[in-house]
Parts: sequence; structure tokens; C-alpha cells
Amino acid sequence: DAKTTQPNSMESNEEEPVHLPCNHSTISGTDYIHWYRQLPSQGPEYVIHGLTSNVNNRMASLAIAEDRKSSTLILHRATLRDAAVYYCILRIMGDSARQLTFGSGTQLTVLP
Amino acid sequence: DAGITQSPRHKVTETGTPVTLRCHQTENHRYMYWYRQDPGHGLRLIHYSYGVKDTDKGEVSDGYSVSRSKTEDFLLTLESATSSQTSVYFCAIRDRVGVNTEAFFGQGTRLTVV
Repeated sequence: DAKTTQPNSMESNEEEPVHLPCNHSTISGTDYIHWYRQLPSQGPEYVIHGLTSNVNNRMASLAIAEDRKSSTLILHRATLRDAAVYYCILRIMGDSARQLTFGSGTQLTVLP
Repeated sequence: DAGITQSPRHKVTETGTPVTLRCHQTENHRYMYWYRQDPGHGLRLIHYSYGVKDTDKGEVSDGYSVSRSKTEDFLLTLESATSSQTSVYFCAIRDRVGVNTEAFFGQGTRLTVV
């Protein structure tokens, strides 16, 4: 299975943009890149996903490198509520009903 | 928020006793999953279900069994709890297979085996 590599932790100041990187150098052509986050004492929640093109939604933006070997989750204006563990996950085509494979993620700390 | 309820939210039990955790959904989603989360291991899949009475093992299924007799309920049973099963357990649901579908997670059950 293709794996992802993320920094263990990052810090950001409140109201500033945050760029969370993810390396996935063994990604295959049909793997989608998904991001989830886990707020303290809660279950993970979906953030965004993409295949090749950059994606935007109300929560964040996803920038995918042209060679797809890396991606960056962008929070445009971090708030204290964005402090969470962020997981970059590859959804493997053909993995039928099996679920997401979570790594250890990036712990984001937002400073007031 | 997706309608997923896990019960109990917290439980302390003794080694060797059976324990059942319940996941209840009101979304009528076909797929349901049980994960455990431990420090240093992230979330690991225990069992999953792809329909009523249809279940399969995940990567850490030893010591656990599951049952799904109705669409809305997915039960996780620890036949004889051990201290190594102390963990936070999360249930997740998904509407259909495919790389574009998102999963919804419950709030978790914190289980302590003493």
C-alpha cells in the first residue's frame, strides 16, 4: 500500500494561514488523497480530498503537486478550533469496503 | 452531523469479563466499521460490515467479534477482556464504496480493562 509521511507537529499563529505538508512518493495513478482531522476527544472528521487538481471547500484548500508525490492542506486563517491532528490518507482504488488507513498525522497547535 | 451514537462512552471492566460496545446510526448507511486508537498507533481497523450479517476482519481483529443484525446497529464484543484492549474505540459509517465517499465517525468509547 502507498504510504504517507507527515511532520509530527506544527505550530501556527491564530488568524494566519497554515500549510500542512504530506509526502506520498509511492502514490499510484488512481489513488485519491484524503485529509481528515481529529479534534481533541472526538472522532476524526473529513476535511477534503482530491485526485490531481487543487480543490477548495468551506474548510480548507488542497494543493496537489504536479507529479502527485506530495500535497499540502491549506487552512487560510487558522483559528483556535483548528487545533487538531491532521491525517493525510490515500484511498486505494479497488479497496472495496475496507476503510481508511490512518498514519500518525500532524499535531497542529494554534497559538493565540 | 451524521447520526452516529456510541454507547457506552466510558467503561471500566475487569480482566476476563465480556464487554459489548454498541454503535447505532440513523443514516441508513450500508458500511460500518470499528477502529481502536492507541498512542503511537493511530487508528487501526478491527472489523467492518458491508451489510446486515455481512462482516469481515480488519488488521487487529484477534480477541474481538462483531455482529450486525440490523442496518442501524453494529456491536463489538470483547469475549474476555484483557489489559491490552484498553483503548479508545471509534465506530465509523460510510454510505457506499468508492474513493470519493467520506466516512463519518462517532465520538468514541473509552474502555479501561483493569
